[in-house]
Amino acid sequence: DGGITQSPKYLFRKEGQNVTLSCEQNLNHDAMYWYRQDPGQGLRLIYYSQIVNDFQKGDIAEGYSVSREKKESFPLTVTSAQKNPTAFYLCASSSQSYNEQFFGPGTRLTVL
Amino acid sequence: GENVEQHPSTLSVQEGDSAVIKCTYSDSASNYFPWYKQELGKRPQLIIDIRSNVGEKKDQRIAVTLNKTAKHFSLHITETQPEDSAVYFCAASLMNRDDKIIFGKGTRLHILP
Repeated sequence: DGGITQSPKYLFRKEGQNVTLSCEQNLNHDAMYWYRQDPGQGLRLIYYSQIVNDFQKGDIAEGYSVSREKKESFPLTVTSAQKNPTAFYLCASSSQSYNEQFFGPGTRLTVL
Repeated sequence: GENVEQHPSTLSVQEGDSAVIKCTYSDSASNYFPWYKQELGKRPQLIIDIRSNVGEKKDQRIAVTLNKTAKHFSLHITETQPEDSAVYFCAASLMNRDDKIIFGKGTRLHILP
């Protein structure tokens, strides 16, 4: 299961706080993605990046921010503007478009 | 916007029987259709994929069929086993936009003993 890692596995946050989720990959993949998974909702794309220093909004980007300063890293910040942040967050990477996405183990965020 | 519909949301089959999950997509330009399996508490993993230049692909007990005219594709699992119990996601890629992959909402497959 190596290659793409996420930390922490579980994260608790108080309302009004920003929190950053880590995603690191050593697969030399150019593209990285962040998804949110809620029961019965499948995988919804938050942000994605095809190259360093560039990223695009997905379908549910509001209340989230990302950076891509290094090829290996694609951290996601859940801001206080995200109204319902409690969810399971999955990071993925792929070598190029239209190829297999490799997923990290996920971070379960709970807002208290 | 782009959409991938997946049915059924839940499926129960007797061990040894076949299971079929169906998906439809809206963008006729889509050309890549992967299927992912997510076991309880684990990350999604690719089990099979198909590109638009073929109509069917098989890998042991798993097969995927694609009908581009009707814009639908299906996952077929034969001789189901207990370890097939999981959530399965279909997805479609969008050629005429940014390189996003749109996922269906998933099918929870239960294999009954």
